[in-house]
Amino acid sequence: QVHLQESGPGLVKPSETLSLTCTVSGGSISSYFWSWIRQPPGKGLEWIGFISYSGSTKYNPSLNSRVTISVDTSKSHFSLKVNSVTAADTAVYYCARGQSSSWPARFDYWGRGTLVTVSS
Amino acid sequence: EIVLTQSPGTLSLSPGERATLSCRVSQSVSSSYLAWFQQKPGQAPRLLIYGASSRATGIPDRFSGSGSGTDFTLTISRLEPEDFAVYYCQQYGSSPTVTFGGGTKVEIK
Repeated sequence: QVHLQESGPGLVKPSETLSLTCTVSGGSISSYFWSWIRQPPGKGLEWIGFISYSGSTKYNPSLNSRVTISVDTSKSHFSLKVNSVTAADTAVYYCARGQSSSWPARFDYWGRGTLVTVSS
Repeated sequence: EIVLTQSPGTLSLSPGERATLSCRVSQSVSSSYLAWFQQKPGQAPRLLIYGASSRATGIPDRFSGSGSGTDFTLTISRLEPEDFAVYYCQQYGSSPTVTFGGGTKVEIK
């Protein structure tokens, strides 16, 4: 059974960089797409971006200039960085697997999510 | 940009009743890349339906999806107590690559 686990600081100061890692276990990180999605408290889901196992990326245009997603297949994890955060970036951040070696790919496995609060 | 509009915002029903949830897309999308998720409080979304009508692994057959083009529907034939949750539709094939609807909450009447 594939398992995804998000990790990283739960509190980030405004204007700083939010950094999260998603560790994949129970399956290979290769041959799939890996995505980040976030959900502000009490609100809906927003896709942030994805990375393929080979390193190609695509981001939500609304966040494109502030987001970087990277993958480390040797450690079976992928990471998210969001620069210049504000209170509007406060959300539960989820990582998810895109179940295919080519895009489009449905999101079949999700992590449990981690709450990141932006506050001084 | 593709916008997904879900209706109603809230659906108040009793266990055993039929639930019909709508997802309208601002421009035609391939039904191959339309999905539905269920989310319960404090939990991650769970994939129910992909390709507009294919049930994900382990999903009971009381859940069914249909539609094409710009209009898609999730139907729960007979609501079980564990089905009361928020449901999101999602397209994952067109620019800007992935978008979610705003959600429909199915609550106990």
